[in-house]
Amino acid sequence: DQQVKQNSPSLSVQEGRISILNCDYTNSMFDYFLWYKKYPAEGPTFLISISSIKDKNEDGRFTVFLNKSAKHLSLHIVPSQPGDSAVYFCAASVDFGNEKLTFGTGTRLTIIP
Amino acid sequence: DVKVTQSSRYLVKRTGEKVFLECVQDMDHENMFWYRQDPGLGLRLIYFSYDVKMKEKGDIPEGYSVSREKKERFSLILESASTNQTSMYLCASSDGQPGTTEAFFGQGTRLTVV
Repeated sequence: DQQVKQNSPSLSVQEGRISILNCDYTNSMFDYFLWYKKYPAEGPTFLISISSIKDKNEDGRFTVFLNKSAKHLSLHIVPSQPGDSAVYFCAASVDFGNEKLTFGTGTRLTIIP
Repeated sequence: DVKVTQSSRYLVKRTGEKVFLECVQDMDHENMFWYRQDPGLGLRLIYFSYDVKMKEKGDIPEGYSVSREKKERFSLILESASTNQTSMYLCASSDGQPGTTEAFFGQGTRLTVV
């Protein structure tokens, strides 16, 4: 049972345009959400997070939006750059601090120069 | 910077062998995790540990065991390797403090079982 879903396995975006990556979850107990970026042959690196008390968090070119009623979050990257080409995973947890992360299946983002 | 180091980048083992994957973190983190990454399946949690000598099963613990004798070290053991355990294995750690669940990952171990 996949509790965190990323329904788009891949996405191609022109350089300079906005990239929007989507993630849905089914467990209403999740209260903390994260995005990770992964290059081939490397471990995932943390990108940005959001707690369930917020609906938006911004860090430079990256913004995460959370819609709790729809159990949906999205990551916006603007403007997209070639170095953004990677696999992006969303993750969710139940409790702050101690709880394990449940990951989605990932979306491969390709930025076209 | 937090550093999570996995002992090998690439491993090739034979079916039936006992395999040890080692992970060390240098930030005095309470929590440590082992995930595997497979195409189309994302990252799936195998085992995790909240403290020394403590361990809990994740979503796919069958065929694996773990050991945490020291806070900084978390080992994953494949008791009898099988070809369906060919995968990318990722170790992670987090500080377990309220307000943050960010986990830091090692570089991964690509294990091939032949």
